[in-house]
Amino acid sequence: GESVGLHLPTLSVQEGDNSIINCAYSNSASDYFIWYKQESGKGPQFIIDIRSNMDKRQGQRVTVLLNKTVKHLSLQIAATQPGDSAVYFCAENYGGATNKLIFGTGTLLAVQP
Amino acid sequence: DTEVTQTPKHLVMGMTNKKSLKCEQHMGHRAMYWYKQKAKKPPELMFVYSYEKLSINESVPSRFSPECPNSSLLNLHLHALQPEDSALYLCASSQEGQGARTGELFFGEGSRLTVL
Repeated sequence: GESVGLHLPTLSVQEGDNSIINCAYSNSASDYFIWYKQESGKGPQFIIDIRSNMDKRQGQRVTVLLNKTVKHLSLQIAATQPGDSAVYFCAENYGGATNKLIFGTGTLLAVQP
Repeated sequence: DTEVTQTPKHLVMGMTNKKSLKCEQHMGHRAMYWYKQKAKKPPELMFVYSYEKLSINESVPSRFSPECPNSSLLNLHLHALQPEDSALYLCASSQEGQGARTGELFFGEGSRLTVL
């Protein structure tokens, strides 16, 4: 289930299940949307991105969906593995001449064996 | 080589000290970034350098002073910090220029700063 408040929102799933992590973004002018994974003690690691003129993009075991109407982004992870346990951040590239990535609130994915 | 290297990994400093954080990349990237991250929070953008010139300053207090001596190096000079500045400071780099806009930043592991 999910919990919010003083703690990081958490999604707990069983190993082998599919995971869906959601994110709301704020800037209608953003041209790229990105998902990053951050493991404990490490910097964020790029997972997948999607351009604003697309609504779906697939990678290896991951799919990103973009709904511009409601400013919503989701990351689907197929067959979740213990190694997927981490904090996941969505980010939006604000546009303009330089990459300006603004991160959203993270979600802690906890994979139960 | 696809690494961004940050030094030191840990730094403890007093409020009257002057210290620097360093970042290095050898991927030929021409954009470099500083982010600040508090526990259980997302990284917050501080500065962006593009082709060694400061292009974005997110209204960061002047006690943080960035420097980009060349295309591979990025420094963050720290002076008269406050305890609330204690955080993980992340450096990142990316390709820049026409056709390079995506969202793929390469992050270092960060420098964990504690201000006493």
